[in-house]
Amino acid sequence: DQQVKQNSPSLSVQEGRISILNCDYTNSMFDYFLWYKKYPAEGPTFLISISSIKDKNEDGRFTVFLNKSAKHLSLHIVPSQPGDSAVYFCAARAPPPTDSWGKLQFGAGTQVVVTP
Amino acid sequence: NAGVTQTPKFRILKIGQSMTLQCTQDMNHNYMYWYRQDPGMGLKLIYYSVGAGITDKGEVPNGYNVSRSTTEDFPLRLELAAPSQTSVYFCASTYGGGQGLYYTFGSGTRLTVV
Repeated sequence: DQQVKQNSPSLSVQEGRISILNCDYTNSMFDYFLWYKKYPAEGPTFLISISSIKDKNEDGRFTVFLNKSAKHLSLHIVPSQPGDSAVYFCAARAPPPTDSWGKLQFGAGTQVVVTP
Repeated sequence: NAGVTQTPKFRILKIGQSMTLQCTQDMNHNYMYWYRQDPGMGLKLIYYSVGAGITDKGEVPNGYNVSRSTTEDFPLRLELAAPSQTSVYFCASTYGGGQGLYYTFGSGTRLTVV
C-alpha cells in the first residue's frame, strides 16, 4: 500500500526555468514531509523538509509547499540549473505511536533533467 | 568523515548463492535501515534497527536477515538468492527521535542475481 505517491516519473526543464515536482499522500497522520535528491551511483541526500503545521518552507532556490486538505506537496526549484539533474524522492513520516519508530516512507521518485 | 559505508558496490550472484551486504557508520547513529530500490518503485524498507541488539522487519523482509551486534554495523544477509532480489540496496542511518528525519545514506550496492 503506497502511502506516498509521485505520479510523474520524469520531468524535463530548460535551464533557468522553474521545475515543479509533485507528491501526493494518503495518510493524514504524517507530520513531516521531506525531499531527498539522488545522483547516479550515489545514495539519496536530504534536500528540504516541511512540518505539517506549515504550508511553505524555503531554502535558497528550493521551496516546498504543503496543501494538507488536498494531501499534496510540491517542490519548486527556481531557477533550475544543470546540476539539479537528479532523481528526487518525496518522503513522509507518521509519528509515534502511529508508527512506533517514525520510519520514513518514500515515493517512487521523479527524474529531473535540466537542459541547457 | 566517512558517514555510511557500504560494501561491495557491485555483485553478481548465482541463484541459490548467499552473501552478506556490509554497512557501517561512524556517526554514532542509533537507527539504521536497509532499503532496496527497484525501477519505478521507490525505496522499500527491508529491515531496520533502533539500537544494538534490536531489529525489526520492514515492508519487504522475505529472503533477508539482519543483525546488529554493534552501533556501527548493520549487515544484511541474503540466503538462497533469487532473481527477484536483483536490485540496488541502500543502507541508511540517523540519530532517531527529533533528528530522525534526516537519514544519511550509503552509496549503494548493485546486486544482480542470475
